[in-house]
Amino acid sequence: SQTIHQWPATLVQPVGSPLSLECTVEGTSNPNLYWYRQAAGRGLQLLFYSVGIGQISSEVPQNLSASRPQDRQFILSSKKLLLSDSGFYLCAWTQQRESGELFFGEGSRLTVL
Amino acid sequence: GQNIDQPTEMTATEGAIVQINCTYQTSGFNGLFWYQQHAGEAPTFLSYNVLDGLEEKGRFSSFLSRSKGYTDHLLKELQMKDSASYLCAVMESNYQLIWGAGTKLIIKP
Repeated sequence: SQTIHQWPATLVQPVGSPLSLECTVEGTSNPNLYWYRQAAGRGLQLLFYSVGIGQISSEVPQNLSASRPQDRQFILSSKKLLLSDSGFYLCAWTQQRESGELFFGEGSRLTVL
Repeated sequence: GQNIDQPTEMTATEGAIVQINCTYQTSGFNGLFWYQQHAGEAPTFLSYNVLDGLEEKGRFSSFLSRSKGYTDHLLKELQMKDSASYLCAVMESNYQLIWGAGTKLIIKP
């Protein structure tokens, strides 16, 4: 069966510090991978998605970046965090983009102080 | 523009029925999705509608009217474990999901 894991689960970082969130999928190959951010009272905001190794699409201009160094690994990074980067970050995968049935990781709660 | 509206919060009684509505305005339509999200956890898929009408799955069902840009998610025989947020999402023509802010459902004994 397929599983998805992301870490760390919680993170408290000072403004201006770097960030690295990791996500891995097991039990499938060539998944479509997504990074979302969820802010209180707002819908999930798509940050990045990837249809293959090294292929990253950015949906929202910001100080975050994403990389896919391996087929089932998706990394969200920042060189310098802002206060507004605080939120609940979710990694997700689906086998077919058209299906709309996303499978989410456990989530990473980031607090920037 | 893109807009998805759903009530912020609803309260219902254990054993009762509750209907959560969602209206949408999006660029294109490739399906309507409902997800459940318990506090502090990730969303999980509940249902999918692409044609008008009712889709039933156990105690849960979802109704879609594309002409009205409207969907309902119906939960019957409510249980305490159904306390969660319910997220409405629309898939646009480019296969991206546009998400509502979610409806927090509070169930009282």
